[in-house]
Amino acid sequence: EAQVTQNPRYLITVTGKKLTVTCSQNMNHEYMSWYRQDPGLGLRQIYYSMNVEVTDKGDVPEGYKVSRKEKRNFPLILESPSPNQTSLYFCASAQRGITDTQYFGPGTRLTVL
Amino acid sequence: QKEVEQDPGPLSVPEGAIVSLNCTYSNSAFQYFMWYRQYSRKGPELLMYTYSSGNKEDGRFTAQVDKSSKYISLFIRDSQPSDSATYLCAMMRGLAGGGNKLTFGTGTQLKVEL
Repeated sequence: EAQVTQNPRYLITVTGKKLTVTCSQNMNHEYMSWYRQDPGLGLRQIYYSMNVEVTDKGDVPEGYKVSRKEKRNFPLILESPSPNQTSLYFCASAQRGITDTQYFGPGTRLTVL
Repeated sequence: QKEVEQDPGPLSVPEGAIVSLNCTYSNSAFQYFMWYRQYSRKGPELLMYTYSSGNKEDGRFTAQVDKSSKYISLFIRDSQPSDSATYLCAMMRGLAGGGNKLTFGTGTQLKVEL
């Protein structure tokens, strides 16, 4: 089954404790992206990647890092999480770029205390 | 002012009703318009994708774009309880330095009741 998977689905952590949210897609897509979804603000792009070893900032990159060492994986790293990063995070992938249909993962609900 | 405005609802309708969901936007550079459906505890999924002004129909769903008024709509005919979800509009524009930017609305929560 073609899909985007994220882990973990739910995470509660404390300020300053480094964490990684994994994202994997099995559709051989070149484009991958991370979004956060907050009430009243909608979906906002954090980082995206056009291909392996090619990443770029989205609208709200501060406090986040990403890497794209393999085509199928695009982990999101929070080196020192803060409470304002409490949010619902979605990974998405598309065939080549943002103009193609994006397929979203199921989401990761992160709470930073 | 947000580039894309969408009433958050919630909108509650009886089964079988025609539903109208809307978004307005301020940037005339938006060229592509999309509607996503998001069920509770799931990621968004693409419903409709349109480029030009006018209507596009897909089964019970019709997407309408009025670029002169900077207004887009999604109509759902014969609404079903399974249509209960949050509907997100999204719009794309080109960037001066190359590439494209996708901007989402905040979503309208719809509940279709038996």
